[in-house]
Amino acid sequence: DIQMTQSPSSLSASVGDRVTITCRASQSISSYLNWYQQKPGKAPKLLIYAASSLQSGVPSRFSGSGSGTDFTLTISSLQPEDFATYYCQQSYSTFFSFGPGTKVDIK
Amino acid sequence: EVQLVESGGGLVQPGRSLRLSCAASGFTFDDYAMHWVRQAPGKGLEWVSGISWNSGSIGYADSVKGRFTISRDNAKNSLYLQMNSLRAEDTALYYCAKDPNPEVAAAGTFDYWGQGTLVTVSS
Repeated sequence: DIQMTQSPSSLSASVGDRVTITCRASQSISSYLNWYQQKPGKAPKLLIYAASSLQSGVPSRFSGSGSGTDFTLTISSLQPEDFATYYCQQSYSTFFSFGPGTKVDIK
Repeated sequence: EVQLVESGGGLVQPGRSLRLSCAASGFTFDDYAMHWVRQAPGKGLEWVSGISWNSGSIGYADSVKGRFTISRDNAKNSLYLQMNSLRAEDTALYYCAKDPNPEVAAAGTFDYWGQGTLVTVSS
């Protein structure tokens, strides 16, 4: 099975900050990497698919990059509604594993 | 508007069974693979099972293989999860999720999610 790790596990940031979250796969997954945002008490929401494609309706301040084993999610200018937990997830092989999550909260 | 509404959760004793349902609307249900993803209280996300558009391809997480059965009824726009031999570690919020692809093997992206149904396994 492919194991996914994320760093950091949590971070504190201010509105307007540039935020970068890293995700690493235990083996190469090409570009089969998705990012989700989850707010408390809500279902996850797809932000980025195929490592760098922005899901319809998602603000352009969100971007994704990477391939192989190393990936990043960047929020170019953090907004109040972006405080949430972010998960990466590989879709390379069945047993579609998620990373443990990165919680972004207010500094 | 895509809507996924889960039902069937509740409190169940270890070793017993439960059947979850997911009613889909707002899209052509039989064009897409569907999945169940769960989240234990205060924990992260875990993919449980997926099924292709025509039920021809099915996958399970090792943690549920042999105990859970996924199925779908395209005529009723519904997805199901039969859960047998439930354990305390199956306690979680179970989400139904749509995939933008029709086949499980080429899938694994969850573009729409329901609000979840809570399953609690306890004596």
